[in-house]
Amino acid sequence: NAGVMQNPRHLVRRRGQEARLRCSPVKGHSHVYWYRQLPEEGLKFMVYLQKENIIDESGMPKERFSAEFPKEGPSILRIQQVVRGDSAAYFCASSPLRGPGELFFGEGSRLTVL
Amino acid sequence: TQLLEQSPQFLSIQEGENLTVYCNSSSVFSSLQWYRQEPGEGPVLLVTVVTGGEVKKLKRLTFQFGDARKDSSLHITAAQPGDTGLYLCAGGRDTGNQFYFGTGTSLTVIP
Repeated sequence: NAGVMQNPRHLVRRRGQEARLRCSPVKGHSHVYWYRQLPEEGLKFMVYLQKENIIDESGMPKERFSAEFPKEGPSILRIQQVVRGDSAAYFCASSPLRGPGELFFGEGSRLTVL
Repeated sequence: TQLLEQSPQFLSIQEGENLTVYCNSSSVFSSLQWYRQEPGEGPVLLVTVVTGGEVKKLKRLTFQFGDARKDSSLHITAAQPGDTGLYLCAGGRDTGNQFYFGTGTSLTVIP
């Protein structure tokens, strides 16, 4: 009974490189959320996607960040030209219903920018 | 600007003590959830409350949603080391697509 799978769990990038974070939702869930978390802090909403559609990207920076959830395959959060301030844990959550409802979280991807 | 403020931010108590964590906002929410997150893992849902004044109990945990649906509290009776973790409240709105997460309360229960 697979839950939300995120990879990589840990990613190290140098400034200016690209980071790609992947999220496979719970089987049958068509709604995916991405959140960002700094140490000892709560979760900051970034983007909400449904299959092939971005529903709400109000929490995502306009530059360098993009997200997709294709018809086939995982959802991807892409950060171009990373900077030190992008270092954080990025969590993906999926839901069977259009939000808000119960969110099932992955274990997160921890990005470190050197 | 944080929509949901939690207090206290950090709490360290002895095993067997009782504690209450608060989640406050000036906004009204249609539902409010509590999650617990352990180090290196994602948050796990504990409870959802949807009715003003609603009280839900989960073993030693008691959750309450304020009458005006702007605030919530989590009370733990006889805390155990296994209760250690980051407690997050999250508010949802019927018109929105997202849950707004609180600032978090980091609880440590010392054996």
